[in-house]
Amino acid sequence: EAGVTQFPSHSVIEKGQTVTLRCDPISGHDNLYWYRRVMGKEIKFLLHFVKESKQDESGMPNNRFLAERTGGTYSTLKVQPAELEDSGVYFCASSAGRTNGYTFGSGTRLTVV
Amino acid sequence: AQSVTQLDSHVSVSEGTPVLLRCNYSSSYSPSLFWYVQHPNKGLQLLLKYTSAATLVKGINGFEAEFKKSETSFHLTKPSAHMSDAAEYFCVVSSYNFNKFYFGSGTKLNVKP
Repeated sequence: EAGVTQFPSHSVIEKGQTVTLRCDPISGHDNLYWYRRVMGKEIKFLLHFVKESKQDESGMPNNRFLAERTGGTYSTLKVQPAELEDSGVYFCASSAGRTNGYTFGSGTRLTVV
Repeated sequence: AQSVTQLDSHVSVSEGTPVLLRCNYSSSYSPSLFWYVQHPNKGLQLLLKYTSAATLVKGINGFEAEFKKSETSFHLTKPSAHMSDAAEYFCVVSSYNFNKFYFGSGTKLNVKP
């Protein structure tokens, strides 16, 4: 089966610009997660979708971040406007059942300059 | 609350020698624990998981980990390191409902020829 696909793999934007990250989960996986690793820190939870519904968005840092999951398939994470501290690697993961562990994508490395 | 401490940020071993990556956790319930590995420019790959069955868990590529409740530890071991094991390793504890993962800060494993 195809894995979790994220794109772009890298993005360099200027402070104040908008960036949209995309994640395509494994087909049939209802659970989709976003995580983020900022430089030198742990990988941290951002939010969790079940199908198209947000189950938990407690990790979203502020209202400059907006996540959507269209029709329960792919998901986008928009950052608007981007700030320097948003730089990091954004991981997407999906799972069929919660106890199986996740399958992660390769991540999007976001650099805000 | 759940937390994970990876005791070494960097570990360096010679090829053919044993690997030990240390992890301690804190959890308010019986945890599920995972080890993930990230090779350069790759996604996070599940190595192994503990979900309250056998305390000695075998994973892929010859890795194994032992859950020790009395020591709140879940150390990762491998009898003989291979050059291809060079990567970053993450110890992870899940939330009680598996909706969220809590990551350690990662251990970079260097394997010398």
